[in-house]
Amino acid sequence: SQQGEEDPQALSIQEGENATMNCSYKTSINNLQWYRQNSGRGLVHLILIRSNEREKHSGRLRVTLDTSKKSSSLLITASRAADTASYFCAFGGYQKVTFGTGTKLQVIP
Amino acid sequence: EPEVTQTPSHQVTQMGQEVILRCVPISNHLYFYWYRQILGQKVEFLVSFYNNEISEKSEIFDDQFSVERPDGSNFTLKIRSTKLEDSAMYFCASRTGILNYGYTFGSGTRLTVV
Repeated sequence: SQQGEEDPQALSIQEGENATMNCSYKTSINNLQWYRQNSGRGLVHLILIRSNEREKHSGRLRVTLDTSKKSSSLLITASRAADTASYFCAFGGYQKVTFGTGTKLQVIP
Repeated sequence: EPEVTQTPSHQVTQMGQEVILRCVPISNHLYFYWYRQILGQKVEFLVSFYNNEISEKSEIFDDQFSVERPDGSNFTLKIRSTKLEDSAMYFCASRTGILNYGYTFGSGTRLTVV
């Protein structure tokens, strides 16, 4: 079965710095998505990158995908305290997605 | 912006009781899902539902669980004879039929089995 791992598990940075999170998976995918979860809350869809895309931007978010290495990264530029949350990659096909283990990001004001 | 609505936000139930978790997906979405997240752990897939039937389910989704779309707007997850280990956050999600669009998740129901 597909498994996803993210690193780092936790990341603490100062406001204004950039945050990079990585996701690895094991099988072929149609797309890879990134979600954000504030503590004890729901999952918010951030961005989706298709398997034939290599990079995608949305505001302060930049996602890359390397299907040959089966990995993706999420970069948050100029972080803000409000970016403090857990970030999950989710990958797979059209019937379901599998979530990674998540990165807990803390942005210190 | 359209939302997926889940009720209740928190439910406490006695072990062995049945619970029904309710979801109202976005109206023009065609695919529906239940995921769960045990506290501090990964988000796990339970079941996907399309065209009024289950399209895929995980090994977690055994005979204890069932889903239904009774009236074209609600999407429910029933858990029979709840166990302590069913305590988790349960998320409903939906998506359009358009390929490569992300899921919209509800804010979840926290189920506590005591």
